[in-house]
Amino acid sequence: DAGVTQSPTHLIKTRGQQVTLRCSPKSGHDTVSWYQQALGQGPQFIFQYYEEEERQRGNFPDRFSGHQFPNYSSELNVNALLLGDSALYLCASSFLMNTEAFFGQGTRLTVV
Amino acid sequence: GDSVTQMEGPVTLSEEAFLTINCTYTATGYPSLFWYVQYPGEGLQLLLKATKADDKGSNKGFEATYRKETTSFHLEKGSVQVSDSAVYFCALPPPLGGSYIPTFGRGTSLIVHP
Repeated sequence: DAGVTQSPTHLIKTRGQQVTLRCSPKSGHDTVSWYQQALGQGPQFIFQYYEEEERQRGNFPDRFSGHQFPNYSSELNVNALLLGDSALYLCASSFLMNTEAFFGQGTRLTVV
Repeated sequence: GDSVTQMEGPVTLSEEAFLTINCTYTATGYPSLFWYVQYPGEGLQLLLKATKADDKGSNKGFEATYRKETTSFHLEKGSVQVSDSAVYFCALPPPLGGSYIPTFGRGTSLIVHP
């Protein structure tokens, strides 16, 4: 049984560009959450998707947007990249929003 | 609002030493409490949890007891191994009625030397 898978594993982008990160949830899970983890910090919640809708959102600007597909996979989009967006982006999946979350290995985004 | 405070790292120990990583919380009511572990280059894994006061969570030799009177959930292990080297995060979920979105501490890095 595959766990949560994220792609790509590493990414380098230039300031001002746009980026799309992808996540496939663990089998049987229907809810996907995204987190940003800056170096030396704990993960910060970005948003959560359930039934293809954004259900909860953390304190992140509108440059951060997402999408969930009918197969429960999800994308995180970040527009107008800033140097401060450099971080590890973690995806977590769960069932019906209220069960234990399983995390993927993350995508390391570097903005130069 | 709800928050978690962890001791700052890194914590550096020799193999077989005793480990304590302190965690205190501020929360409304009595939430569940969690410890997550992040091994180098990997995502987070749930290490253990406790769902009510005086509960003791345990896994892989690690233990933590939910202390309501001191609002603490300290992580302990009697004899650490080199393979325990990782970053450990204390976390709590949102207030009752919210979705399962853990609030994480800043993390404590553990380095175990042979």
